[in-house]
Parts: sequence; structure tokens; C-alpha cells
Amino acid sequence: KAGVTQTPRYLIKTRGQQVTLSCSPISGHRSVSWYQQTPGQGLQFLFEYFSETQRNKGNFPGRFSGRQFSNSRSEMNVSTLELGDSALYLCASSLQDRGLDEQYFGPGTRLTVT
Amino acid sequence: GENVEQHPSTLSVQEGDSAVIKCTYSDSASNYFPWYKQELGKRPQLIIDIRSNVGEKKDQRIAVTLNKTAKHFSLHITETQPEDSAVYFCAASPGAGNQFYFGTGTSLTVIP
Repeated sequence: KAGVTQTPRYLIKTRGQQVTLSCSPISGHRSVSWYQQTPGQGLQFLFEYFSETQRNKGNFPGRFSGRQFSNSRSEMNVSTLELGDSALYLCASSLQDRGLDEQYFGPGTRLTVT
Repeated sequence: GENVEQHPSTLSVQEGDSAVIKCTYSDSASNYFPWYKQELGKRPQLIIDIRSNVGEKKDQRIAVTLNKTAKHFSLHITETQPEDSAVYFCAASPGAGNQFYFGTGTSLTVIP
């Protein structure tokens, strides 16, 4: 099976702009979670989608949003970008939906805000 | 919500020695504890996990222990090799969907 893919791999944006990142999960996985990874902070949970519904949301401002399509592909959007949004954004997919199984991570999208 | 603390943040060991990384969690509802290894420039990959109904799990040179009463779990790597050098993350899941809380990571360096 193909692994989790993310596009684009790298992005450079300017403060105030918005950005959309895409994630395609492993075939058959219906759960997609998003994480922000920054040095020293580890991985911080953004949100999780299952069957097109947002089930959980982390402690991030409303500028961060997402959605999931019927084919389980997911997008996250960040509006009004700030310098502090520069990070590696990882998505992960899981087969099960009960938080008791492995999450398979994508390669990430490296976002740089200037 | 859940809070996961991980120590140490950096760890250097001689090749062949053992390495131990410790994590604590706050939410007694957490029932799944995976460990991920992230090599430089690569995605995190699961190396071992443990569920709350198990106290210890071993896979070759890697083992994880869980103390539910004290709310802490540890990763043990024996006979370390240079290829074990990476950042290791612990995580906890309260089981309310796939919402995982990660520690801040331990950068392990194995010195040949």
C-alpha cells in the first residue's frame, strides 16, 4: 500500500497570507489527524477528522481549520499567517478510530512564513 | 486535557550501552502509549507501543514499561547502535478518537 502523502512538501508564504495543505491517507484509513511540529515543542495536536467529521480539536486559534473529503483526503488551512506559524505540519492516518492503534505519518509540509 | 512530559531532552551513550527515556502523563483515562522514532529529515515511525492492560512489552533490543499507578512509562534500548541515533517521542492517547498527546522528544546520540 502507498503510504501517507502530503503536498506540497515545502511552502514559503508572507505574513497575512493564507495557505492550504493537503494530506492523502493510506487507502482504507478513515481517520486523519494533523500535528504542528516545532523545535522544542514536539508534536502538537491540531485536529482529527473521521468520516468527514471533525472529532477532536487541539488548542489552536480559529485561524487553523481543516476538512475531510468523502475519499478521506484531508486539507488544513491557515489564514492570516503569522511568523510563529512557521513549522513542519504532519498529518497521520489510522485504520481504527479509537486512539488505540498506530498512526502512520506523512513526510510533512515545511511551512516558512516571512 | 492530557499533559505528557518527557525526560531527558538529550541523551548521549556509548555504542553498546543502554538508553532509557522516561515519560509521565496526567490523564488517568489514557490507555495507549506509543513510542515514535524520528530520524533527521524523516517522518516519525512507530517503534513500539503498549496498552494500559499490559505492564511491559519487549521487541528485540527495545522494551517499554508502564506504571499506571504512578502514571509513567519508559523506553529502554539495550545494546545501542549508531543507527539508533534519532529523536524519540512518547505519546499518550485517552482513547477519545485519534487525539495523541506527545512529549517534547529526546534526542539520542549513540557514540561509536
